[in-house]
Amino acid sequence: ETGVTQTPRHLVMGMTNKKSLKCEQHLGHNAMYWYKQSAKKPLELMFVYNFKEQTENNSVPSRFSPECPNSSHLFLHLHTLQPEDSALYLCASRREGFGQPQHFGDGTRLSIL
Amino acid sequence: QKEVEQDPGPLSVPEGAIVSLNCTYSNSAFQYFMWYRQYSRKGPELLMYTYSSGNKEDGRFTAQVDKSSKYISLFIRDSQPSDSATYLCAMTRGGATNKLIFGTGTLLAVQP
Repeated sequence: ETGVTQTPRHLVMGMTNKKSLKCEQHLGHNAMYWYKQSAKKPLELMFVYNFKEQTENNSVPSRFSPECPNSSHLFLHLHTLQPEDSALYLCASRREGFGQPQHFGDGTRLSIL
Repeated sequence: QKEVEQDPGPLSVPEGAIVSLNCTYSNSAFQYFMWYRQYSRKGPELLMYTYSSGNKEDGRFTAQVDKSSKYISLFIRDSQPSDSATYLCAMTRGGATNKLIFGTGTLLAVQP
């Protein structure tokens, strides 16, 4: 299997639930990203990990908790989300080096009831 | 003012037309420029990647960067219905996190 794989593809949860999104990359990349994509808005960067270390948290609410156990796997743990958190959550990865492009998975469509 | 401006469309063209998609930006520090294509219910797919000013061609696609005008373009020749998608421009200064700044995307429909 190649590329960036995200699971689940769709998730419906209540505001009091706890769930996790998973991302796995098979490209040998060293950096991984979480983005939020909402209708008619640019992609919003949430978190960046380089070599498993978090290097950026873009003022994301604490109800989103990332985890990066190794350079190939990235998780986003969700708890007590709000309806405005409904969106497409995209994972991306890239190889080390200035300006290297990011490669995206197909995302998890999240709906908060 | 947004860092990156992109007309959201929708843009509708007949099959075989030449399509021009554009973005303007305000930060002169951007050095790396990308175009992504996103089909419905899929993630963004890297289409073109350029560094600094100039042109880059790949098949029916040509990317242009004019840093003096802070303007980038993507041209699609002989457009096909399969080109119907949202096209996102993105750019970065580079750096440790390689933070990408995206446009809002242009929805393109190529009519058969």
